[in-house]
Amino acid sequence: QQPVQSPQAVILREGEDAVINCSSSKALYSVHWYRQKHGEAPVFLMILLKGGEQMRHEKISASFNEKKQQSSLYLTASQLSYSGTYFCGTSFGNEKLTFGTGTRLTIIP
Amino acid sequence: GAGVSQSPSNKVTEKGKDVELRCDPISGHTALYWYRQSLGQGLEFLIYFQGNSAPDKSGLPSDRFSAERTGGSVSTLTIQRTQQEDSAVYLCASSRLPGGPYEQYFGPGTRLTVT
Repeated sequence: QQPVQSPQAVILREGEDAVINCSSSKALYSVHWYRQKHGEAPVFLMILLKGGEQMRHEKISASFNEKKQQSSLYLTASQLSYSGTYFCGTSFGNEKLTFGTGTRLTIIP
Repeated sequence: GAGVSQSPSNKVTEKGKDVELRCDPISGHTALYWYRQSLGQGLEFLIYFQGNSAPDKSGLPSDRFSAERTGGSVSTLTIQRTQQEDSAVYLCASSRLPGGPYEQYFGPGTRLTVT
């Protein structure tokens, strides 16, 4: 069951903040976040586990709300290098990930 | 150390031909995944190898698609009788151990174009 990401796309000016959400219809065990720049492979950002702590990668942090079956990615004081498509991947146990459709983030100077 | 490598980086083939795509995972990684990404789309799961267990083939779109992993390392994805809708970037990823808690490292992908 594919997670739903929102928004599908967002445009920010450098220095602005953004939130990307990833929602599931089933109880989650783990959520992965990856970033893919145009023409490149996805790169791992962080994993959030059920019952685990909020994670951080540079000025990007993420939370995992088990009750809402949702994870949120917070991009603070965005930099040009943050541009790309962000994917969440979810698992319901110790198994493969199912990826969302992605959120395209564009940062303009 | 070396990351995940894939070959070829680009493949153009005629409709109806068979193609083989190769993936070399990171040494020591027991889990290997294949994904397909169509232009501007997300990551579509194809198949998952986890150590010596039977692979999870639940994402293969048709019986024209098959994959094997020899000796727990290199994997080959084979597409028989290619169709134009098979055109996409095929990504391989590996992780240290199988399952959700472990980060996946992606290769650069093979861009397949079926004419």
